[in-house]
Amino acid sequence: DIQMTQSPSTLSASVGDRVTITCRASQSISSWLAWYQQKPGKAPKLLIYDASILEGTVPARFSGSGSGTEFTLTISSLQPDDYATYYCQQYNSYLYTFGQGTKLEIK
Amino acid sequence: EVQLLESGGGLVQPGGSLRLSCAASGFTFSSYAMSWVRQAPGKGLEWVSGISGSSGTTYYADSVKGRFTISRDNSKNTLYLQMNSLRVEDTAVYYCAKAGRSSGTSCYNYWGQGTLVTVSS
Repeated sequence: DIQMTQSPSTLSASVGDRVTITCRASQSISSWLAWYQQKPGKAPKLLIYDASILEGTVPARFSGSGSGTEFTLTISSLQPDDYATYYCQQYNSYLYTFGQGTKLEIK
Repeated sequence: EVQLLESGGGLVQPGGSLRLSCAASGFTFSSYAMSWVRQAPGKGLEWVSGISGSSGTTYYADSVKGRFTISRDNSKNTLYLQMNSLRVEDTAVYYCAKAGRSSGTSCYNYWGQGTLVTVSS
């Protein structure tokens, strides 16, 4: 199985900050990586797929990059609505594993 | 509008069984792979099981293989998860999720609201 490792586990940042979350795969997954945002008590929401493609109406301050085994999610200017937990997921091969999550907290 | 509505969760004793359902609408159900993803209280997301659009292929996490069975009824636009030999560690919110593409590998662009399964004596 492919293991996904996110860092950091927790991130404290202020409104307006640029933040970056990293996700590493235990083997190459090409660009088959997604990022989700989850708020307490809610289902995950797809932000980015195929490593760098923004989903639907997701704000342009979110961006994704990477390929192979190392990927990043960047929020260019943090907004109050962005405080949440973020997960990466690989879908290169079953099982479609998730990272352990990064909780983005208000500083 | 795509909608996924899970049902069937509840309290069950260890060793018991439960069947979850996910009623889908707003898209051509038979064209898309579907999956179940769970989240234990205060924990992260765990992929549980997936099924192709035609029901020809199923996949399971090692943690549930041999105990859970995923299936779908394309005539009823409904996804199922039959859970047997339930364990305390199966306690979680179970989400159904729709593949974003109708062919090839895909992440999930729509999720249900989740249904809570509690395994406890």
